[in-house]
Amino acid sequence: EAGVTQSPTHLIKTRGQQATLRCSPISGHTSVYWYQQALGLGLQFLLWYDEGEERNRGNFPPRFSGRQFPNYSSELNVNALELEDSALYLCASSQDRAETQYFGPGTRLLVL
Amino acid sequence: DAKTTQPPSMDCAEGRAANLPCNHSTISGNEYVYWYRQIHSQGPQYIIHGLKNNETNEMASLIITEDRKSSTLILPHATLRDTAVYYCIVRVRGLGGTSYGKLTFGQGTILTVHP
Repeated sequence: EAGVTQSPTHLIKTRGQQATLRCSPISGHTSVYWYQQALGLGLQFLLWYDEGEERNRGNFPPRFSGRQFPNYSSELNVNALELEDSALYLCASSQDRAETQYFGPGTRLLVL
Repeated sequence: DAKTTQPPSMDCAEGRAANLPCNHSTISGNEYVYWYRQIHSQGPQYIIHGLKNNETNEMASLIITEDRKSSTLILPHATLRDTAVYYCIVRVRGLGGTSYGKLTFGQGTILTVHP
């Protein structure tokens, strides 16, 4: 069974640009979660999508947004990039709402 | 969700059992104990979870004390590939509690397995 996949693996942007990160959940999983792990900091919860709806949001500004598609894949968009947005962005999925989460390998975003 | 306390670092010899403790003295009756690990720069890997009974799977065993205020993750025969940061998380499964879907990661325990 394929795990959670994320693309791209690495992304380099400049300050002020927009970044789009993609996530495909494990087959049969309907919930997708996004986390940010900045260098030297812990994993911080960003967003939770289930059945196409945003169910919960972490303490991040509105320029962090996303969506979930009918096939349960998800996009994370970060607008007006700032240097401190440089981080590993992790996606996780679960079979049901708020059940055990399985993580993907992450997308490493570097903002110059 | 209840907070957890873990030692910042531990060492273990290869082939020996690694016992990683976690204190969660404020855990509620409906909160589960989850363990994840993160090998450098990779996504966290789910290991095991439990409510009050001891649990075992192909990766590890989870021992939860009778009062549920602490638990121990046991890797029975540690290998060099088990070197990672191990996170103990307590949360309500499903939609209950304040977590509402999110996992709250602490600093975890850096486990170093030596040859």
